[in-house]
Amino acid sequence: GDSVTQMEGPVTLSEEAFLTINCTYTATGYPSLFWYVQYPGEGLQLLLKATKADDKGSNKGFEATYRKETTSFHLEKGSVQVSDSAVYFCALTSGGSNYKLTFGKGTLLTVNP
Amino acid sequence: EAGVTQFPSHSVIEKGQTVTLRCDPISGHDNLYWYRRVMGKEIKFLLHFVKESKQDESGMPNNRFLAERTGGTYSTLKVQPAELEDSGVYFCASSQGRGGNTGELFFGEGSRLTVL
Repeated sequence: GDSVTQMEGPVTLSEEAFLTINCTYTATGYPSLFWYVQYPGEGLQLLLKATKADDKGSNKGFEATYRKETTSFHLEKGSVQVSDSAVYFCALTSGGSNYKLTFGKGTLLTVNP
Repeated sequence: EAGVTQFPSHSVIEKGQTVTLRCDPISGHDNLYWYRRVMGKEIKFLLHFVKESKQDESGMPNNRFLAERTGGTYSTLKVQPAELEDSGVYFCASSQGRGGNTGELFFGEGSRLTVL
């Protein structure tokens, strides 16, 4: 079946540091890939997505590129802020389903001033 | 615009008791989903409603779980009788289309269930 593996953390960085959260996947066919984020006290929200190979999703300074050859979708940000502290989830959908998300376990990011 | 709201935020019950979780989706969203995250595991899909109809309940773990969405508005998820392994966070999500054209689901904060 489909699966997502992401670095579990927790990850602690200083403000303005570079962030990478690794995500690899196993899926049938051609999945769509997502990063969701859960800020403290809030629900999960879509951060960015990519639907085909070599697509780059970007939002709020975060980027991730759909790499089919390495089955990866790593999340990056050049300069993190305290407000980026949250749990980040890598996820995919496949097989024509747009709603049945397969999630990774989540990575807790803490950014210190 | 109000987001997806879930109630209660945390419930502590004893094994064998019953708990009912409620989800109010974003107004106008016909599609409603339940997911859950048990301790140390991934968030996993439970089921999908379109309006009041169950479209996909392939993720429901067993018949102790009953989800309803009468009238196609709010939804409830009942666990009866609860077992220890049911402890976790239950997330509700909604979308306008089936995951929407953007593939975006809008999630609530989750209801944490602790079974003692």
